[in-house]
Amino acid sequence: DVKVTQSSRYLVKRTGEKVFLECVQDMDHENMFWYRQDPGLGLRLIYFSYDVKMKEKGDIPEGYSVSREKKERFSLILESASTNQTSMYLCASSSLSYEQYFGPGTRLTVT
Amino acid sequence: AQSVTQPDIHITVSEGASLELRCNYSYGATPYLFWYVQSPGQGLQLLLKYFSGDTLVQGIKGFEAEFKRSQSSFNLRKPSVHWSDAAEYFCAVGGSTLGRLYFGRGTQLTVWP
Repeated sequence: DVKVTQSSRYLVKRTGEKVFLECVQDMDHENMFWYRQDPGLGLRLIYFSYDVKMKEKGDIPEGYSVSREKKERFSLILESASTNQTSMYLCASSSLSYEQYFGPGTRLTVT
Repeated sequence: AQSVTQPDIHITVSEGASLELRCNYSYGATPYLFWYVQSPGQGLQLLLKYFSGDTLVQGIKGFEAEFKRSQSSFNLRKPSVHWSDAAEYFCAVGGSTLGRLYFGRGTQLTVWP
């Protein structure tokens, strides 16, 4: 069974803080993804990675960066958190078959 | 441009009634199509997928979907809805760009007892 884990289910941070969201998958998948989910807007892709140290911008990369130093781990970084980054963050991974497996999500609140 | 449209934001059905959730897509290559379900506070779970072959695909929890290329549609159906099916449903399309999927905005399903 594919397992995608995210470091926290709930996180509260202050405006201006640097925030790290971690995602780990255990199926040796090539591709990993970070989405944010907001009511009425569905899933919006922030960044994705198709190999170690490789990354591609998604639709809303502004204010975010990512790191993939090992195949199983994909980190999302908010360099200076702002209130408009309060959201649910979902990580996913996939092999070459395109079928994405999702983690449980991290609900981030920035105050 | 690649996109997915789920025309119904919210659907309410009675338990035991049939269900159809609509999905239309725009994609420049041969599409791979997916339906996911999300229970409150959870991640997304794959219900079913279409890559090729038989256009009627069966998934988990008694769901099925039919791919209609001429209509660019991939509608999700269930003959008899259970209260536990209440959740948000997402349609997605992919197939070319480095494993990326394009998601619709979701349809929230409410089930009345």
